[in-house]
Amino acid sequence: EMQLVESGGGLVQPGGSLRLSCAAAGFSVTNSYVTWVRQAPGKGLEWVSGIYSDGSTYYGDSVKGRFTISRDNSKNTLYLQMDSLRPEDTAIYYCARGLPVDCWGQGTLVTVSS
Amino acid sequence: DIQMTQSPSSLSASVGDRVTITCRASQGINNYLAWFQQKPGKAPKSLIYAASKLQSGVPSKFSGSGSGTDFTLTISNLQPEDFATYFCQQYNFNPLTFGGGTKVEIK
Repeated sequence: EMQLVESGGGLVQPGGSLRLSCAAAGFSVTNSYVTWVRQAPGKGLEWVSGIYSDGSTYYGDSVKGRFTISRDNSKNTLYLQMDSLRPEDTAIYYCARGLPVDCWGQGTLVTVSS
Repeated sequence: DIQMTQSPSSLSASVGDRVTITCRASQGINNYLAWFQQKPGKAPKSLIYAASKLQSGVPSKFSGSGSGTDFTLTISNLQPEDFATYFCQQYNFNPLTFGGGTKVEIK
């Protein structure tokens, strides 16, 4: 059974950094498209970033140049390095598998506030 | 970027009703359209992909149609567990984009 478990969320000051992790089970992050999607409080879903099996990466306009997606094949884990964080980055961050998505993690909350 | 416009943003319906949600893309996306259901405090759940194909385990009361720029999600025989927010997403072009969501509420 496929499973995704996010971790690493928390409270961070504006301008700070945070790294989210997403541990995968039941499939290989190397052989799949995996992605980050976020949801600000009371708002809709926003696609953040994705990485293809060939290693190519894509980012949403609002995070381009500040966030970096990566994966660790040995740990079967997806990461999202978030730098220069802003209050508007406050959201629940979900990792998900597939294009189209067929499996979601439970999410991790990131709060950017002083 | 492709804009995805969902309508209505909310609707009220009764148990047993049939409801339809629409999603329009700002340019053609072939059939690279997915639908998701989200309940309060929960992660989204994948319902439909390729505009009309059900994800594994999704009941046939959910159906999707459309191609190009106009798509619909239909839910038949609404039950209490179907009251939720529904999102569409195009996955034909990067950046991938979601519709704004449709909240289905109990009348």
